[in-house]
Amino acid sequence: GESVGLHLPTLSVQEGDNSIINCAYSNSASDYFIWYKQESGKGPQFIIDIRSNMDKRQGQRVTVLLNKTVKHLSLQIAATQPGDSAVYFCAETGGATNKLIFGTGTLLAVQP
Amino acid sequence: SAVISQKPSRDICQRGTSLTIQCQVDSQVTMMFWYRQQPGQSLTLIATANQGSEATYESGFVIDKFPISRPNLTFSTLTVSNMSPEDSSIYLCSVEWAGSASYNEQFFGPGTRLTVL
Repeated sequence: GESVGLHLPTLSVQEGDNSIINCAYSNSASDYFIWYKQESGKGPQFIIDIRSNMDKRQGQRVTVLLNKTVKHLSLQIAATQPGDSAVYFCAETGGATNKLIFGTGTLLAVQP
Repeated sequence: SAVISQKPSRDICQRGTSLTIQCQVDSQVTMMFWYRQQPGQSLTLIATANQGSEATYESGFVIDKFPISRPNLTFSTLTVSNMSPEDSSIYLCSVEWAGSASYNEQFFGPGTRLTVL
């Protein structure tokens, strides 16, 4: 289940289960959203993106869902593996700027 | 995708000194950015590094503390000046790549982990 850690909320799942990581974004004018994965000691790595004219996009083992009505974004990871353990950030951008605004992040811990 | 390297990868510095971090990209990019990631927290944009002109700083960040250079389309530096322990963070360079198939997709460097004593 989810719990709030010292800084980051944590999602703990069993290997092979599906994971759902949620994000509430802040700006209703944002029209482009990205999920990043950050492993310990590394920079964020692009996972998947979605534009505001879509509500769902699928990649390899990952799906991003966008609900603009409630400004909510989710990342679904199918058949979670130990290598998926990392911090996941959502980011939004749009309007007249290409600046990315990052969410707080969620630590995904995959139990073998 | 663009390959981004940063130097140094980590450093331990004394209070009051300055450190310059380098970001090198293997291809020409339109936009370069510098972010700070404090321990256990998310990323905060410091500034946009503009080629041939002064960087554009975000609220709470000033040029005197974080001078930035961008002499060409593949290289930028960020200096953390007159450091204090509160500057201990990971500093990340990112680029928006003109060859990217995705709108506004940004790639990140590996980061520079700075500890100020």
